[in-house]
Amino acid sequence: NAGVTQTPKFQVLKTGQSMTLQCAQDMNHNSMYWYRQDPGMGLRLIYYSASEGTTDKGEVPNGYNVSRLNKREFSLRLESAAPSQTSVYFCASIFGQAALSGNTIYFGEGSWLTVV
Amino acid sequence: TQLLEQSPQFLSIQEGENLTVYCNSSSVFSSLQWYRQEPGEGPVLLVTVVTGGEVKKLKRLTFQFGDARKDSSLHITAAQPGDTGLYLCAGADGNNRLAFGKGNQVVVIP
Repeated sequence: NAGVTQTPKFQVLKTGQSMTLQCAQDMNHNSMYWYRQDPGMGLRLIYYSASEGTTDKGEVPNGYNVSRLNKREFSLRLESAAPSQTSVYFCASIFGQAALSGNTIYFGEGSWLTVV
Repeated sequence: TQLLEQSPQFLSIQEGENLTVYCNSSSVFSSLQWYRQEPGEGPVLLVTVVTGGEVKKLKRLTFQFGDARKDSSLHITAAQPGDTGLYLCAGADGNNRLAFGKGNQVVVIP
């Protein structure tokens, strides 16, 4: 029962380097999300994808790009990492609409990224 | 951006005491969810409230959605150390985006 799987779990990058965070879900969910969590800031939405082939900006999209490769996978790319992007990143997915009762959103275990 | 304000930000209580934390917004939400997050893990959904005035109970946890669907509260009765964690509220907008508050950090001291 994998649920939502994120890789890598830990990563240290130098300023200016690029990397991609991978996320996959095996629950046939339509919507997928990328959040970042910083101390005292809660979870802030970076990008989301309501369905395969579509992506939309969230609250803090600058410095990131995403790809909804297929229904299962939603990747987050940092083209030129900055220290301000040091954070914990969470991928999440939901079957239908987030606004509807009874639809549970599932989170991955998080990816700890440090940019030095 | 629909802002969700959670208060208090931090709460420390003794085992057996009761506590209430709040989630408030100036916006109306179609639904509101509460999550609990423990260190090193992702948030886990506790409950979803949909109807204004709705009250849901999950063992010792009682969740209430405000009549105007702009606010919610979480009440824990006879708190236990296992209730320690970060409680997050989240609201869904019409564009299928889920926005989170900054959380209520609860510590229950044995």
